[in-house]
Amino acid sequence: EAGVTQFPSHSVIEKGQTVTLRCDPISGHDNLYWYRRVMGKEIKFLLHFVKESKQDESGMPNNRFLAERTGGTYSTLKVQPAELEDSGVYFCASSQVGGTEAFFGQGTRLTVV
Amino acid sequence: AQSVTQPDIHITVSEGASLELRCNYSYGATPYLFWYVQSPGQGLQLLLKYFSGDTLVQGIKGFEAEFKRSQSSFNLRKPSVHWSDAAEYFCAVGAMDTGRRALTFGSGTRLQVQP
Repeated sequence: EAGVTQFPSHSVIEKGQTVTLRCDPISGHDNLYWYRRVMGKEIKFLLHFVKESKQDESGMPNNRFLAERTGGTYSTLKVQPAELEDSGVYFCASSQVGGTEAFFGQGTRLTVV
Repeated sequence: AQSVTQPDIHITVSEGASLELRCNYSYGATPYLFWYVQSPGQGLQLLLKYFSGDTLVQGIKGFEAEFKRSQSSFNLRKPSVHWSDAAEYFCAVGAMDTGRRALTFGSGTRLQVQP
């Protein structure tokens, strides 16, 4: 069974550009989460989808970040326009409804220069 | 609000030595506690979790952790470290009972293993 897959694994963009990160959860997992780790600090929650609905987006830093999960399958996280402080590793995780374990992808390392 | 503290940013141990990674949490109710490991180039992998019951939890790769409510701690231990254990370790707390299923992570402890 395939795990959580994230694309791309690395992205380097200039300040002001737009970047879209993608996450493919484990098939059948209705819960999907986005997290971010900035500069060796703690991993911080961004938002939580249940199917296609945003259950909790309290961690989204500002309106330059837009997450979508059309059809309740894969999810995208768009940063527009990117700023230097957006650099970090973006993790996606998924879990079953009622599940106790979240499975994480390998992360996307975003560098804004 | 919940929080997690991992006081050791970096730890170096010799192969074969014992290991203890510290984790302290702050949460008003009974926490759900996790330890994850991230090896180079890999995603986060769950080592073990505590929800209730026996306070000594066994995980994968020979790791265990003990939940101590009086100390608000959930330290990770391994009796004999292998070179392949070199990685970054994250403690996390969840509040599954509130319906908010997001995890709160500590800042991580990077483990280096000397031959």
